[in-house]
Amino acid sequence: GNSVTQMEGPVTLSEEAFLTINCTYTATGYPSLFWYVQYPGEGLQLLLKATKADDKGSNKGFEATYRKETTSFHLEKGSVQVSDSAVYFCALRVQGAQKLVFGQGTRLTINP
Amino acid sequence: DAGVIQSPRHEVTEMGQEVTLRCKPISGHNSLFWYRQTMMRGLELLIYFNNNVPIDDSGMPEDRFSAKMPNASFSTLKIQPSEPRDSAVYFCASRRTGTSGRGNEQYFGPGTRLTVT
Repeated sequence: GNSVTQMEGPVTLSEEAFLTINCTYTATGYPSLFWYVQYPGEGLQLLLKATKADDKGSNKGFEATYRKETTSFHLEKGSVQVSDSAVYFCALRVQGAQKLVFGQGTRLTINP
Repeated sequence: DAGVIQSPRHEVTEMGQEVTLRCKPISGHNSLFWYRQTMMRGLELLIYFNNNVPIDDSGMPEDRFSAKMPNASFSTLKIQPSEPRDSAVYFCASRRTGTSGRGNEQYFGPGTRLTVT
């Protein structure tokens, strides 16, 4: 089946630290990969995506590269801010399918 | 664009009562998804519609849950009778299928926080 495994949280960092949140996947087809972010009290927002191997998605200083050989899509940011505090979800959608398959989410807290 | 609209934002009800959650998708989107989010189970897809037709309801927990989409701009999720274990945040999301690029991804509403006492 299709599944997504994320780095266990919560993650707590200081402002300007480097961030990595690991995400690996299992898919029966050729998936598109996504990172969604959920700020407190809000719905999920698409942060970035990649649709084929070696693609790099980027947005708001965050990046993730689609690594087919390691079935991974790790989220990185070089210098985090307090405003990045949120829950981050990795997700996949198999080609031709409607459904997103989400990981369990990783809660990130950035301290000033 | 107003985004996905959900109402109410918060609902507190007593066990045994009927609860109806409402969703208005983004105009022009033809797929609609209902999710439930809890600390224990994370984010679960309950049901999704394509062109107002339910396609996959395998995530609906039991017969107490039902969802309808009478037209392209409105959907409801109903729980009857409600139970304390139904307490969760319920999200609606919509998507325009059949197009490429960023614009065809799922857009989420702000959610309805349901508390059943």
